[in-house]
Amino acid sequence: GAVVSQHPSWVICKSGTSVKIECRSLDFQATTMFWYRQFPKQSLMLMATSNEGSKATYEQGVEKDKFLINHASLTLSTLTVTSAHPEDSSFYICSARGNRPNSNQPQHFGDGTRLSIL
Amino acid sequence: QKEVEQDPGPLSVPEGAIVSLNCTYSNSAFQYFMWYRQYSRKGPELLMYTYSSGNKEDGRFTAQVDKSSKYISLFIRDSQPSDSATYLCAMSVGGNNRLAFGKGNQVVVIP
Repeated sequence: GAVVSQHPSWVICKSGTSVKIECRSLDFQATTMFWYRQFPKQSLMLMATSNEGSKATYEQGVEKDKFLINHASLTLSTLTVTSAHPEDSSFYICSARGNRPNSNQPQHFGDGTRLSIL
Repeated sequence: QKEVEQDPGPLSVPEGAIVSLNCTYSNSAFQYFMWYRQYSRKGPELLMYTYSSGNKEDGRFTAQVDKSSKYISLFIRDSQPSDSATYLCAMSVGGNNRLAFGKGNQVVVIP
């Protein structure tokens, strides 16, 4: 159980392109999803917290107009990197947490999306 | 001082050895503790999740939490080459709060 699917797994595109990454919880409903960025040999850096049906909460230093997050359903959140540039190249990972009431659920992660901007 | 300290390694052990990993933390409000395993170019996979002091065992894995010393450990018995990965500790104040991660510890199990 607790499978999180992330798509695509790898994207290569030209500078200026907008890229959309999908994160789906396959066998559970996720009120909250998280988006992280990870640089080589570094730990995960939280970019934003996404709650179903409301605006995402962005961490300090993360441009919300650059990284658009939509969490339209309990099983799907999307991250759109708008007008991507080479410095946006990174490994983006989403996670989702189940929403069982009165229960603390751990985060389960997708397999990440490797984004390369030329 | 970082919230969570984890020695990044790398740690090389022969197959069959016990792998011992640990993290220390400074925030005494942390109540939930996790260990994730991350293979290269993959997302982290939850290995252990606990919220009380003491030991929790799952197969070859044992997670240990000592809240009084602000110290958590992960032990892997009878290590296999397939255990070669980066191990991340993570913790949160509440079960539904954001996670604070360690840097990750790269483990290599040599056949």
